[in-house]
Amino acid sequence: DTEVTQTPKHLVMGMTNKKSLKCEQHMGHRAMYWYKQKAKKPPELMFVYSYEKLSINESVPSRFSPECPNSSLLNLHLHALQPEDSALYLCASSHQISQGTGAQYFGPGTRLLVL
Amino acid sequence: AQTVTQSQPEMSVQEAETVTLSCTYDTSENNYYLFWYKQPPSRQMILVIRQEAYKQQNATENRFSVNFQKAAKSFSLKISDSQLGDTAMYFCAKDSNYQLIWGAGTKLIIKP
Repeated sequence: DTEVTQTPKHLVMGMTNKKSLKCEQHMGHRAMYWYKQKAKKPPELMFVYSYEKLSINESVPSRFSPECPNSSLLNLHLHALQPEDSALYLCASSHQISQGTGAQYFGPGTRLLVL
Repeated sequence: AQTVTQSQPEMSVQEAETVTLSCTYDTSENNYYLFWYKQPPSRQMILVIRQEAYKQQNATENRFSVNFQKAAKSFSLKISDSQLGDTAMYFCAKDSNYQLIWGAGTKLIIKP
């Protein structure tokens, strides 16, 4: 059983669509992350939230818009994506990001296909 | 810049054998965490084992153990009595400030 959940599991969208990915963690963690992962590659960090505030944006295009409504929830809003944005999107959480992240715990991911 | 290197892109062993995955890293930090993550074909990234750099004792989790050599900046993962369910991508990672520094991964195949 995972304590980080993500919905939906799969998503197909056109380049003009608007959709959202959702993540919820039940571990009491104060740091949450969005990653993009291509096949057989390590995850690439996109965003970091610490205590519900955006701490890090790794130069991600504006067509990706994160949101942290509360300490347990993390959303990623998608708009006008490109086919090269097709990937597995992973959410993760950790205790905090001061003095190192410690272990990050991952959700099962959303497999996104942009047509 | 800090780096994590996994020099074995792919490995395969017979079921029940022992296999060791290698990982080296570069850092000027004295205190940090190192991790091995497993990602089976179902794509769920799972934390296998962690090691705190200030602890000399090697971490173990059931069939998984590490050989941590701080001076050599080496952090290998040993899987004993390998099982079919161990087939996965294995990523070595080091924490640094707000992020994890990832190795390129090793694809491990356990053959029946």
